[in-house]
Amino acid sequence: QVQLVQSGAEVKKPGSSVKVSCKASGGTFSNYSISWVRQAPGQGLEWVGGIIPMFGTTNYAQKFQDRVTITADESTSTAYMELSSLRSEDPAVYYCARGSNISPLAPLDYWGQGTLVTVSS
Amino acid sequence: EIQMTQSPSSLSASVGDRVTITCRASQSISRYLNWYQQKPGQAPKLLIYAGSTLQSGVPSRFSGSGSGTDFTLTVSSLQPEDFATYYCQQSYSTPLTFGGGTKAEIK
Repeated sequence: QVQLVQSGAEVKKPGSSVKVSCKASGGTFSNYSISWVRQAPGQGLEWVGGIIPMFGTTNYAQKFQDRVTITADESTSTAYMELSSLRSEDPAVYYCARGSNISPLAPLDYWGQGTLVTVSS
Repeated sequence: EIQMTQSPSSLSASVGDRVTITCRASQSISRYLNWYQQKPGQAPKLLIYAGSTLQSGVPSRFSGSGSGTDFTLTVSSLQPEDFATYYCQQSYSTPLTFGGGTKAEIK
């Protein structure tokens, strides 16, 4: 079955960058979109951006446009999200999620387990 | 950016109750509306997509309706495992946006 396995928890200093990975198995990686969604402690869900691995095209929420880079490696079925210039509002659980089809607007039918990012000096 | 507003933000219900959660979009999104369930410490789970289509494996006590700007999620008979937080999400345009969530608690 489809599984998305994310990299482990990270502790980063303010102003630094974090890169989270998301390895997919059980499906054809290139046939689907991947989104990244974050959830601050005790808060709701916030879409960060997404990628269509087959084409490498990306969409980012304007809020993160200048700080986030989402990439995908089809050879390893792995997606990555890098967030730079980490600040006090960035601590959150970051999830990757697979779209149910190749569209960046597809419903998110499979999710990774989440990666906790802590920002602390 | 399309704003999604859910109500109520929380509800208290008993096992067996019929529960309805509403979601309103700031502009028409046709039927591009999805519902997710999230339990503490877990990732969200897709329940319903395209307004009313039940995701595979989701119990039939869950149903969705609506189009345009107003949508509802109904649980016909709340079960102990249904106590969770529910989110609506529009997939009409990017950025994808979520409602603020509705936490369903045991009365």
